[in-house]
Amino acid sequence: EPEVTQTPSHQVTQMGQEVILRCVPISNHLYFYWYRQILGQKVEFLVSFYNNEISEKSEIFDDQFSVERPDGSNFTLKIRSTKLEDSAMYFCASSGTDYTDTQYFGPGTRLTVL
Amino acid sequence: AQSVSQHNHHVILSEAASLELGCNYSYGGTVNLFWYVQYPGQHLQLLLKYFSGDPLVKGIKGFEAEFIKSKFSFNLRKPSVQWSDTAEYFCAGGNKGGYNKLIFGAGTRLAVHP
Repeated sequence: EPEVTQTPSHQVTQMGQEVILRCVPISNHLYFYWYRQILGQKVEFLVSFYNNEISEKSEIFDDQFSVERPDGSNFTLKIRSTKLEDSAMYFCASSGTDYTDTQYFGPGTRLTVL
Repeated sequence: AQSVSQHNHHVILSEAASLELGCNYSYGGTVNLFWYVQYPGQHLQLLLKYFSGDPLVKGIKGFEAEFIKSKFSFNLRKPSVQWSDTAEYFCAGGNKGGYNKLIFGAGTRLAVHP
């Protein structure tokens, strides 16, 4: 069964550094998402991406964040200058050809900012 | 504001007991509703979803949920749990007509003892 993959599984970085989290969505999917979960808190929506542009973003997704689909398979989340409060589990998800399709989630990247 | 709430944060049951996990939502328009499950060390997986039609939705592994519009609820049920149902369960909602960003509840940790 096809699945969403994410790399790395765990990223440790120093405050102020840039990080790029990578996702490979399911190959025929068209809608892509990033969510995050700070330890002990809810899973929160960050951004959705369709047709090579952001379709919706949350208040959390400020100028420090960006997303990109650099080629036909990867979907990346960049945090330009990490803060301590960016420490969280980041989940990528993708869904098919209709926005009502089920979102399939990757295993997550645990980001630790020191 | 859109929100999804789950009443039970931790539930402990013995095998063969019946399960009901509460979920309430608050949305301005019509809503799609989902239950996801996360088994230890695994991805978020879809258990079931409600978009329209029959308010009683059946999902995988014997789970079902009932959409009750008058109560703004979408409770998850299973008549007889197994040890393998030990996991965290997330209720989520998405707006119809949007890009279906998901708003998650806080999650319920279920522990089933043999």
